Amino acid sequence: LAKTTQPISMDSYEGQEVNITCSHNNIATNDYITWYQQFPSQGPRFIIQGYKTKVTNEVASLFIPADRKSSTLSLPRVSLSDTAVYYCLLTGGGNKLTFGTGTQLKVEL
Amino acid sequence: GAVVSQHPSWVICKSGTSVKIECRSLDFQATTMFWYRQFPKQSLMLMATSNEGSKATYEQGVEKDKFLINHASLTLSTLTVTSAHPEDSSFYICSAGGRGPGVDTYEQYFGPGTRLTVT
Repeated sequence: LAKTTQPISMDSYEGQEVNITCSHNNIATNDYITWYQQFPSQGPRFIIQGYKTKVTNEVASLFIPADRKSSTLSLPRVSLSDTAVYYCLLTGGGNKLTFGTGTQLKVEL
Repeated sequence: GAVVSQHPSWVICKSGTSVKIECRSLDFQATTMFWYRQFPKQSLMLMATSNEGSKATYEQGVEKDKFLINHASLTLSTLTVTSAHPEDSSFYICSAGGRGPGVDTYEQYFGPGTRLTVT
């Protein structure tokens, strides 16, 4: 069973901020929360990773509440090229990853 | 840094033949490599975990005699699909975790994938 739960799909328009929330009620103490992006016929691409509070990089922000049972990936000002599947995973240092369904984000003009 | 390559990027083979897919870590030592299979519009499904120098650990339901995995060095793992059938047609992706400059031990680095079509 997947360790994470996310919406199956989301729609947005160019220039908007998109927030994708992931639930992980059984997160372990040594688990990090990692988000990947996947385009069709390509391998997943790392977006952002965090353990607690807030992490920001050039492409996204990751918000993690104190209980760490959920996390929110925030994509500012999306464009058409952000149309992809986004996966939320728990990563514990070399352990195998369990992919859930992911969230299909569709960005329109 | 932390680049993983796969070869070939796509392959077409006849039913009953075997196909080998290579996964290489180009600039770091991959102590662990993972092989996934992805069918159209579905998520990645982990097939097996391979550690350098030891036998691979297969997930439940994955035939180890059909999907042969070899992790002979810290930079190379191979997946051989033996006696391939049309139902083996899929997108095969490897990932690697390891050590080296610029490598995060909590991150998996994914290859670009290999599209296998069995006719």
